[in-house]
Amino acid sequence: EQQVQQSPASLVLQEAENAELQCSFSIFTNQVQWFYQRPGGRLVSLLYNPSGTKQSGRLTSTTVIKERRSSLHISSSQITDSGTYLCAMEPSGSWQLIFGSGTQLTVMP
Amino acid sequence: EAAVTQSPRSKVAVTGGKVTLSCHQTNNHDYMYWYRQDTGHGLRLIHYSYVADSTEKGDIPDGYKASRPSQENFSLILELASLSQTAVYFCASRETGGDYEQYFGPGTRLTVL
Repeated sequence: EQQVQQSPASLVLQEAENAELQCSFSIFTNQVQWFYQRPGGRLVSLLYNPSGTKQSGRLTSTTVIKERRSSLHISSSQITDSGTYLCAMEPSGSWQLIFGSGTQLTVMP
Repeated sequence: EAAVTQSPRSKVAVTGGKVTLSCHQTNNHDYMYWYRQDTGHGLRLIHYSYVADSTEKGDIPDGYKASRPSQENFSLILELASLSQTAVYFCASRETGGDYEQYFGPGTRLTVL
């Protein structure tokens, strides 16, 4: 069983639309990190969110630990937002990250 | 700012050859990690370390060794490289204790022919 599930697997938006990415876990977690990655590129940490809601610019992450889920909201999408968004969680009692398979976002002009 | 660097950034190796990937961090972090990413997938943990001169197996350690000679340096060693080890490898570091994020290096693209 995959411990971190991301949905949707892919998403196509028109520029300026909002995006909502979801992440769910099969086990309890200490914290959640959201990453952005261009094809073949570096991982960029977007938000580190142990619980509750955190915002950085156009990005808002909401993590509900007891429900084992986290979401990433991207407002007013831009073409440069295109890429893969990875969710990773740290299981309770562990200091390693377990990653989901990612959501591939394409923003069209 | 926290910094994790990796070398080389890309490498082509022959099947059966030995490959060493290096990672250096200036974060003064105790924890260091090696992950691999296959095309279209998330990252999976190979080895990690929480103190110099000690390493631990992650989820997919077979075919890999790790070495942590100092707090700053962490190497991943492929003694006999195989085609299936073609992937992008990421190193990361983290502070000890709860509620700390991991910082990632730029990745090393390894192609085994």
